Amino acid sequence: DAGVIQSPRHEVTEMGQEVTLRCKPISGHNSLFWYRQTMMRGLELLIYFNNNVPIDDSGMPEDRFSAKMPNASFSTLKIQPSEPRDSAVYFCASRLAEYNEQFFGPGTRLTVL
Amino acid sequence: AQSVTQLDSHVSVSEGTPVLLRCNYSSSYSPSLFWYVQHPNKGLQLLLKYTSAATLVKGINGFEAEFKKSETSFHLTKPSAHMSDAAEYFCVVSVPGGFKTIFGAGTRLFVKA
Repeated sequence: DAGVIQSPRHEVTEMGQEVTLRCKPISGHNSLFWYRQTMMRGLELLIYFNNNVPIDDSGMPEDRFSAKMPNASFSTLKIQPSEPRDSAVYFCASRLAEYNEQFFGPGTRLTVL
Repeated sequence: AQSVTQLDSHVSVSEGTPVLLRCNYSSSYSPSLFWYVQHPNKGLQLLLKYTSAATLVKGINGFEAEFKKSETSFHLTKPSAHMSDAAEYFCVVSVPGGFKTIFGAGTRLFVKA
């Protein structure tokens, strides 16, 4: 089992550019979560999906952020346009719906200059 | 409503001495409770989980936690700290079968030689 896979692991971009983060959940898992972690704000839940459907996106900071899950094995988090305050580590996690522990990916470290 | 409070933002212990990381929760339903560990520049790893079975839960790396309903606590302990235990620890509450998962603010554990 490869675990949750995220790409890229590191992203450096300039303010105003579009950024796309990718996640492949563990095969068979029905729920997927996107988190953001910063020193100032800690770990924040941005959005989660169940059976590919967004259930709660109340944590998405603003309209510049969007997330999709076109199928059970792939999700993207897009920031357009990016800003320096978006610099953070973004984690993806997946979970079997009938159990409760989440399995985290290694994260994507985003730096917006 | 659910909430989780980690009572200490930082804990410092000497190598070989016991570890106690405190967590209190609030839940309207019988919760599932988890502890995760995050080493520097790594993702979150599940240490242990409580899901209404035995109240004393054993996890990886010698950690254990005891669910105390009367005290609404789920403190994490280890008899003897090792240098490799230095990390950030997150207490998490979730309603079984539900989608909402609440993370505590985290406790950073320092281990002195």
